[in-house]
Amino acid sequence: QLVESGGGLVQPGGSLRLSCVVPGSSSPSMTWVRQAPGKGLEWTSVIGAAGQYTNYADSVKGRFTISRDNSKSTVYLQMNSLRAEDTAVYYCARYVWGSQNDALDVWGRGTLVTVSS
Amino acid sequence: DIQLTQSPSFLSASVGDRVTITCRASQGIDSYLAWYQQKPGKAPKLLIYAASTLQSGVPSRFSGGGSGTEFTLTINSLQPEDFATYCCQQLKSYPLTFGGGTKVEIK
Repeated sequence: QLVESGGGLVQPGGSLRLSCVVPGSSSPSMTWVRQAPGKGLEWTSVIGAAGQYTNYADSVKGRFTISRDNSKSTVYLQMNSLRAEDTAVYYCARYVWGSQNDALDVWGRGTLVTVSS
Repeated sequence: DIQLTQSPSFLSASVGDRVTITCRASQGIDSYLAWYQQKPGKAPKLLIYAASTLQSGVPSRFSGGGSGTEFTLTINSLQPEDFATYCCQQLKSYPLTFGGGTKVEIK
């Protein structure tokens, strides 16, 4: 299972780094998906297996950075210039793809990020 | 961006009922569609990928169909543990997008 950590309370304009431990020897593509309180799911970012490919939702582009350290089996989400609307539970999820069989097949339990003064 | 519209957004049903949820894409996505189940306070769980392929371990009462722009998730003989929120996702192109969700509640 994936295990996220790093969430917490942060002031507007502040920064936070989330971590997601990916058990096993493989280094799959990974995504971060968030869910604001009482709202639906929103994809934020993806990183390829080697870490060279990344992509972001417009809502976080330029503020969030996804990265990974495969030697530590960990994926990160660096969140800067946080806003109240970034308040959400953040899930990391494994992204499997190929032959149209794309899906987020394994999810972590999530970590809550609250942006408030 | 590809928009996904789910209907209905809320559904009231009884144990044993057959229910169908629809997900419409704003443009063609072939079969790049997945369905997830989410219970309160829990992470989403993958049910179906490639529009109609059942994820390992998911009961066969769940089925998916469609391609292009219109997709369905059907639950045959609804069980007590199926009362949850269901959400579709397109993986055809970035940004990956989700439908707004369908909450299935006990009648």
